[in-house]
Amino acid sequence: AQSVAQPEDQVNVAEGNPLTVKCTYSVSGNPYLFWYVQYPNRGLQFLLKYITGDNLVKGSYGFEAEFNKSQTSFHLKKPSALVSDSALYFCAVTSKGDSSYKLIFGSGTRLLVRP
Amino acid sequence: KAGVTQTPRYLIKTRGQQVTLSCSPISGHRSVSWYQQTPGQGLQFLFEYFSETQRNKGNFPGRFSGRQFSNSRSEMNVSTLELGDSALYLCASSTTGGRSGGGYTFGSGTRLTVV
Repeated sequence: AQSVAQPEDQVNVAEGNPLTVKCTYSVSGNPYLFWYVQYPNRGLQFLLKYITGDNLVKGSYGFEAEFNKSQTSFHLKKPSALVSDSALYFCAVTSKGDSSYKLIFGSGTRLLVRP
Repeated sequence: KAGVTQTPRYLIKTRGQQVTLSCSPISGHRSVSWYQQTPGQGLQFLFEYFSETQRNKGNFPGRFSGRQFSNSRSEMNVSTLELGDSALYLCASSTTGGRSGGGYTFGSGTRLTVV
């Protein structure tokens, strides 16, 4: 079964410092991997995805993620954190269901950027 | 263009009652998926509809049902509500609901509280 794991419940960084939010995956075949962000009382916003090609994927709001096949990881990164980046981040993978696909989400990581 | 609209935003129901939630997808999107978000279980897939047909179903009891209309609007219904059904219910729309989940746009959700 396809799955993703986010080993950290919370990540704390100071504004201006680089940030990393970790994600590892377990899938059969080639993974389609995603990062979403959720602000309080809001839905999920798409940040970026990896399907194929370059292992470094650039996304919205200055975020990027590195796909590492040997380590089965897809960590989210940003060179310089902003206080406004504080939110809940979800890693996800698509999984084939009955006759279509669905998103399987990790447990989420809360990012807290302190001024 | 207008985003995904979920109504109502907040709902309080009593145990044993039933509830209907609505999701209007982005114009032109034919796939609507539903997810339940709780602190304990995280984000879990409920079901997906495409062109008025349920194509995929998650592991939820039969009390959870849904449907999609010819204009792609979708409703989900929960009968005989239990306290554990308290959650944020999110819907996501996409053109085809395919494997590249980056095409999914989420609504802001309906927060259901069962008392």
